[in-house]
Amino acid sequence: ETGVTQTPRHLVMGMTNKKSLKCEQHLGHNAMYWYKQSAKKPLELMFVYNFKEQTENNSVPSRFSPECPNSSHLFLHLHTLQPEDSALYLCASSQDRGYQETQYFGPGTRLLVL
Amino acid sequence: AQSVTQPDIHITVSEGASLELRCNYSYGATPYLFWYVQSPGQGLQLLLKYFSGDTLVQGIKGFEAEFKRSQSSFNLRKPSVHWSDAAEYFCAVGAGGGGNKLTFGTGTQLKVEL
Repeated sequence: ETGVTQTPRHLVMGMTNKKSLKCEQHLGHNAMYWYKQSAKKPLELMFVYNFKEQTENNSVPSRFSPECPNSSHLFLHLHTLQPEDSALYLCASSQDRGYQETQYFGPGTRLLVL
Repeated sequence: AQSVTQPDIHITVSEGASLELRCNYSYGATPYLFWYVQSPGQGLQLLLKYFSGDTLVQGIKGFEAEFKRSQSSFNLRKPSVHWSDAAEYFCAVGAGGGGNKLTFGTGTQLKVEL
């Protein structure tokens, strides 16, 4: 595997379910990101991790819980979601944190909350 | 705070025709500017970026962009479009001050007619 991979690619869940999204980067990068992409809206940065430490939480509701066990893996744990949370969730990584760094994106997980 | 405007939601061009996608930004200092492309079912891929220096930036796949400070613009161009260029294009601006945040525009959907 090369680049940034995300699993699952599609997920349907009820509002009472608990699920997790997984992201893995094979680029040797130190920073990882979660974004939310909704139709007709700009990408929204959710979380940033640098060397496994969370450096930014962009006012994300607590029903989204990130986890970064090492610099190569990033998870997004989901519980008691709302229908408006349906979106494409993108993971990205960069060599280091900082706006000047090129971010490499995974293909995303398409989430539908019923 | 910085912002990005992509005024065209959809653009249709014929294969072989030239292309220009517009991007306007709002930021007090010299911004870091990016163009990303997203093909269906894929994550975002960096086309090109501008930090400083020559205001005409060359990217991958034959794309270029020109930074015009006086117009607060960073328009993307391609002299001859190929059918495979059909995708969604996102302009983004990076903030200063050591932050991580890239602010994205809402995207322009490009359709290529054969």
